Order: sequence, then C-alpha cells, then structure tokens
Amino acid sequence: DIVMTQSPDSLAVSLGERATINCKSSQSVLYSSKNKNYLAWYQHKPGQPPKLLINWASTRESGVPDRFSGSGSGTDFTLTISSLQAEDVAVYYCQQFYYGPVAFGQGTKLEIK
Amino acid sequence: EVHLVESGGGLVQPGGSLRLSCAASGLTVSSYWMSWVRQAPGKGLEWVANIKQDGSEKYYEDSVKGRFTISRDNAKNSLYLQMNSLRAEDTAVFYCASVGNSGGIYFQYWGQGTLVTVSS
Repeated sequence: DIVMTQSPDSLAVSLGERATINCKSSQSVLYSSKNKNYLAWYQHKPGQPPKLLINWASTRESGVPDRFSGSGSGTDFTLTISSLQAEDVAVYYCQQFYYGPVAFGQGTKLEIK
Repeated sequence: EVHLVESGGGLVQPGGSLRLSCAASGLTVSSYWMSWVRQAPGKGLEWVANIKQDGSEKYYEDSVKGRFTISRDNAKNSLYLQMNSLRAEDTAVFYCASVGNSGGIYFQYWGQGTLVTVSS
C-alpha cells in the first residue's frame, strides 16, 4: 500500500504570509501515460466536513480561492497558500488515489502566528 | 447545491451493530462511485469503503473487511453502511462522500458526518 507522509505536523504562519505544506508518497502517484498525478488536497475545519481543494495535484476545485495552489509530481507534492487569511485555519490533508486503497496523509494543522 | 445527510450513528456496545444511511440531494448518486470515510477522535481521515455506481464493485479497508457492508439504493438516491461486530476502535465520525467524476477516487462532496461511539 502507498503511505502518505505530510510535513510539518503543525505550522503557524502570520496573516498575509505564505504557508507551505509538504506531502510525500512512498511510491510515485504519477500515471505517466496520462501525465497525471493521482493526488488531492483537502481542508478540514472543526465542526465541518472536509472540503476538496485540489485534485490531480494542481487543479483547483471550482470556488477555491486562487491563493491556494498545488504543485509537485511523482512522490513529492506541496500545497501553498500564498497569503494566509484567518479563515484558512484548518487541518490540511493530502490523499493519493493512484493505486490500492486510497490513503490520506496524517494531516497538517495550520494556525495563525 | 449538493447535500449529503448521514444518519444512524449513536452509542453501541462492543460486538453490536449499526446501519448508517446517507441521503443525497442535488446529486444523482447513480452517476457516481460513493464512499464512506471516517475520523476517529483526535486522528486523521481514514477511507472505509467504496461502491461502484451499479453496486457491482465494492472495496473495503482491511480492518473492516468481513464486518462492514456498503450498499446503495439508487432509486432512493441513498448510500448505506451496515456495521457489525463493532469494536472500540471503530469509534469515529463517519462521513458519506461522493467520488469525483474525472476518473479517480477522490472525494468531491461530503456530508456533515454521523458519530458512532462503541463503548460498554
């Protein structure tokens, strides 16, 4: 099975500053013939269901602010929030859907410094 | 607007059973793979089970195989999870989720979740 590991486990960033969350998969999640990375990012706020932010590693879902961006390929991925807003406080998860049982990272808790 | 509403959670003793339901509106479940995902207290998200549009394929996380059964009733636009032989470690918020429609098992829409507590 593919194991997803996020870093850091928690992160405190000042309002307006950049936040960067990393995700590493134990095997490549790139489907070479389709040139697609089978990776998604979710935002999970307390008391709310998770929200899909990005799929295919870099495609933002409709309605997601453009301060959120995803990058990376193969085994190493990054979620970047370009200018942190108060409403971005949440736990963020990556998820692979390339092979075997889908797997989430352990989550990264993002707070305001 | 898509709404997924779970029900059926509650307190159950170890070894007991519960049946979770998920009613969908604003989305025709017959067009989508559907899933259950859970979150234990203080833990991260964990996929539980998937079911294909016509119910012909079902997949389960290893720890629930043989104990949980996912099913669907497309006529009622609903998803179900029958949970038997429940264990303390099954205590979690269970979310119903629709799978994205562009070829991969990622979770596009989520319900609010229903809490299952397994305790004596």
